[in-house]
Formats: sequence, C-alpha cells, structure tokens
Amino acid sequence: DSGVTQTPKHLITATGQRVTLRCSPRSGDLSVYWYQQSLDQGLQFLIQYYNGEERAKGNILERFSAQQFPDLHSELNLSSLELGDSALYFCASSITSDQETQYFGPGTRLLVL
Amino acid sequence: QKEVEQDPGPLSVPEGAIVSLNCTYSNSAFQYFMWYRQYSRKGPELLMYTYSSGNKEDGRFTAQVDKSSKYISLFIRDSQPSDSATYLCAMETDSWGKLQFGAGTQVVVTP
Repeated sequence: DSGVTQTPKHLITATGQRVTLRCSPRSGDLSVYWYQQSLDQGLQFLIQYYNGEERAKGNILERFSAQQFPDLHSELNLSSLELGDSALYFCASSITSDQETQYFGPGTRLLVL
Repeated sequence: QKEVEQDPGPLSVPEGAIVSLNCTYSNSAFQYFMWYRQYSRKGPELLMYTYSSGNKEDGRFTAQVDKSSKYISLFIRDSQPSDSATYLCAMETDSWGKLQFGAGTQVVVTP
C-alpha cells in the first residue's frame, strides 16, 4: 500500500458525460501528479500540482482539468467524454515538486460506452 | 519516435534465472532513472532509482545506467514467480518531476 488513495475504483459512463476522479496523496506529500494509462499509449503524464499550484503540464486534453485543494487532495475532471478516454487514471504523490520518487495510487478504471 | 523505448515482451524465464530488462532513450537531458513494477490492475510501484550514470544494487535487483549510450538496464537475480509483472522504466530531467515512461515489459517467471 503506497498510502495514495483514489476514488472511485471503477467508473462506467457514456460518451459526452463528465466525471470527477479524486486523489488523496500520502501524508506529508505536497505534490500530486495525474497519469493516464491506455493499451496503445502506455503511461502518459497529464498534469502536476504542488501545494495547490499547477506546476507542469503534459499530454492533457483541453477537455480535462484538475485542481489541488487546500487539504492537498486533488481532483481530475474529464468532460465531453469520448470512447478513447477509456483508460486507467493514476494519481501519484511526492514530497516536493521535483522529487523523483513518486508513489502511485491504485488507479481509477474508466470505461466510456 | 518515442523519447523512451522499451520492448513490451512478453519475456518468459524459468524460476531462478536472471531477468534482464532494458530501455533506450533519446533525450540526453534525462538525469533521473527509475524502474517501476506493476502487477495486473495495480498502480506502479517504485523499485529502483538512480541519478546519472552508474550501478545500484538492492537485494536481488541491480539497476545500471549508461548515459553515454543512452541505455538503462534492470537485472533480477534468482527470479521468482512473484516477480511476474510488467516492469516500466521511467526517467526525467532535473525539473518538475515530469516522468517519461517506457511502454513496459511483461515478465513471466515460470515455476
């Protein structure tokens, strides 16, 4: 158990809908990262927050957004969902903003029908 | 061409054998190199990390980085069936913790 929690574990929704994925980092970690893992693209970095501020952006679509709250939990919002958004979404956390040791949560499996 | 290349396998070895995994990369700015293990339907788990070139050993695991060749390796000695998983290499430059992952190699250790 990495200490990172993610909810929900599974999510099934329809195209065009909007969903919110939630992540609680390890105790004491200030940085949160979001990743998408699909069969064809592998594990792709989406976005990073550090202590409430956006720090880095990766291959995140404009339909996706995220935020980190004062209690350091983070939410990833996915809107206008498409079939291709079906994937595993992982959250990871680390102590600082450039800490190489990131600890991953168990992921949320999203299925868009 | 992807920044990080990794053979997806599967790589099947008998129990007790040495597992040899590797990744190549194109971005010479990468300085931190990691290996993660991912069991089916679970999140990646950090196994090893190395800064710059050199070797690092931890129990049955040895990580090697050759920056001149842009090549990293992970060796698993005395492999066990419980080592059956997907192994992902990851690397980053010295800023912002933005990891670039390889595709992952599926390893199967047969009893």
